[in-house]
Amino acid sequence: DTGVSQDPRHKITKRGQNVTFRCDPISEHNRLYWYRQTLGQGPEFLTYFQNEAQLEKSRLLSDRFSAERPKGSFSTLEIQRTEQGDSAMYLCASSLASGTGKEDTQYFGPGTRLTVL
Amino acid sequence: AQSVAQPEDQVNVAEGNPLTVKCTYSVSGNPYLFWYVQYPNRGLQFLLKYITGDNLVKGSYGFEAEFNKSQTSFHLKKPSALVSDSALYFCAVRDLGGNKLVFGAGTILRVKS
Repeated sequence: DTGVSQDPRHKITKRGQNVTFRCDPISEHNRLYWYRQTLGQGPEFLTYFQNEAQLEKSRLLSDRFSAERPKGSFSTLEIQRTEQGDSAMYLCASSLASGTGKEDTQYFGPGTRLTVL
Repeated sequence: AQSVAQPEDQVNVAEGNPLTVKCTYSVSGNPYLFWYVQYPNRGLQFLLKYITGDNLVKGSYGFEAEFNKSQTSFHLKKPSALVSDSALYFCAVRDLGGNKLVFGAGTILRVKS
């Protein structure tokens, strides 16, 4: 049973460039989440999918951010026209929903650290 | 809205001594509470969760947490700390309106030999 994987692990880009991150969840997990973590803070929710449907988006997620999960398996998070304030660790998590889904455990990947110069 | 507070930025403990990392929460309704640990430049690892039932929850690596409804607390504990327990610990609560986790700011645990 492999865990959640994320690619790349590190990304350095210049301000104004577009970047895309990939997350591969634990196989058969139907829920996938994206969080952002800045230094000294806990992760903050960005968005989540159940299968291929994007069910919730945070107000933190500006129009420059878009996420997809086209076949209900892997997901991508794209940031357009990056800004220095986008520098953070981007974490992906997955879970297997059961019952109401409130009880399920989210398992996190190693994260993608983005540095915008 | 749900929220979590971790009142200590850092906890220092000697190896072999018991440790406690504090967490208090604010939710409307029944809370779903989680503890995660993060090592440097790594993602979060799940330790344990409280959903319902016994107030003492046992988790990975010898950790346990005590749910106290009257004090709205969910403190993480371990009877005997190891140097390898040194890491960043996060308490989280499930948002009742959806499925996201709301995290505290984290507590650095330093265990000295």
